[in-house]
Order: sequence, then structure tokens, then C-alpha cells
Amino acid sequence: GAGVSQTPSNKVTEKGKYVELRCDPISGHTALYWYRQSLGQGPEFLIYFQGTGAADDSGLPNDRFFAVRPEGSVSTLKIQRTERGDSAVYLCASSRRGGTITGELFFGEGSRLTVL
Amino acid sequence: AQKVTQAQTEISVVEKEDVTLDCVYETRDTTYYLFWYKQPPSGELVFLIRRNSFDEQNEISGRYSWNFQKSTSSFNFTITASQVVDSAVYFCALSEALMIYNQGGKLIFGQGTELSVKP
Repeated sequence: GAGVSQTPSNKVTEKGKYVELRCDPISGHTALYWYRQSLGQGPEFLIYFQGTGAADDSGLPNDRFFAVRPEGSVSTLKIQRTERGDSAVYLCASSRRGGTITGELFFGEGSRLTVL
Repeated sequence: AQKVTQAQTEISVVEKEDVTLDCVYETRDTTYYLFWYKQPPSGELVFLIRRNSFDEQNEISGRYSWNFQKSTSSFNFTITASQVVDSAVYFCALSEALMIYNQGGKLIFGQGTELSVKP
């Protein structure tokens, strides 16, 4: 596809369960970002990949959150032992190599996670 | 530390009015990038503009204009003759430039300003 694709678009889970959210970036984009957006708030940075490696994971809130990008394309955000406070829209974005110094971030439509 | 402040939480105007959305940023970097994104009710963030810290020229694109002033660390956005389709949440964002790695850093967003344009 032409844009950033995220699946699932909606996920409802129970407290304590494990969740995976997938992001398929724009073809050729080497930089990939994960953000979390709570209701009425701006997107909050989680992690940033350049290729396969995490260039900056300073935004991951705790060790329940983990993200991978094994082949430098698709990325998966993994949340263990989910809590109600994890409920939010998880946004993925991609950009060309060099990230924001070469251009803008292109965002997907997000995955809405609801933890009951 | 980097920070972006959008003091206006909500703005409501009547169609054809001009409206300015304020953005103030904090950074210790000398090289950085500023952005505005629009988030319509559908939820997807739409890129509007990107400026680097060395370019203080104001920019106009149709009904949109941006005023960048380093002296006051502000990057304000004005919509002229607003339309109902402009109703959305607008985010200002800041990114550092990791020149040693020849790449940009993470994008830091403000809290957003919800603009409502009534007919």
C-alpha cells in the first residue's frame, strides 16, 4: 500500500493479557516510530528505529513494553500484562533515512487498544 | 529538555474568521526542526509544514501561514478565512537534529489545539 498500515485497527483485551500491534511502514522508509495517544492529549513518543535497531527507546514507559523490527521493515509493538492505563491509540509513523532532518513523518491511522 | 506548549486547548470561530494557533517551544539545540500536523476526526495525523531552525522566513500556503520567531521561541500558525473543513485538532511538534548521526531525533508534540469552525 501507499501509506503506513497498522493492524489491528481496534483491539479489546482483558487486564493482564498480552497484546501485539503491527506496523507496516511505507516501502523504502528506514526510520520507524511508535507513539501513544491518550484521549485529549498529544502523541507521546515511545520508540524510534533506524533500520533494525532501536535508535531511541527512551519513551517506553516500563519493561512491559517492547518493540521489534527484525528485518528493518515491519515492526511489532508488544505489551505484556496489560493494564487499564495502557488503553490508548497507538500510532506508527515512518520516514526516509535520516528521519526528521530529511522530511516529515507519515502516520498510520493507529491501533485503538482498550483494556477492560 | 525539549518541550512544546500549545496554551490554547480549544478555539471556536465562525466561518471566514481568521484564527491563530499559538506554539511555544523549548530546546537547547541550535539545530532543530518544527512541524505542524492536523488531526481531523478520522484520527490520522496529516503533515502541514516543516521548518528548520536556520530558516526564519515566514511561509504562506494558500489560506495557511506560519510565523517563526526564534527570539520568542514561537512558531504560530494562522488560518485566514477559516472554513468548516478546517475543524480539527492541530499539533505543533519539535525535533532535534542528531548531526553526528546525520539523522533527526524523535518528534515531541504539544498537547494540541482543538479548532472548531462553525458555519
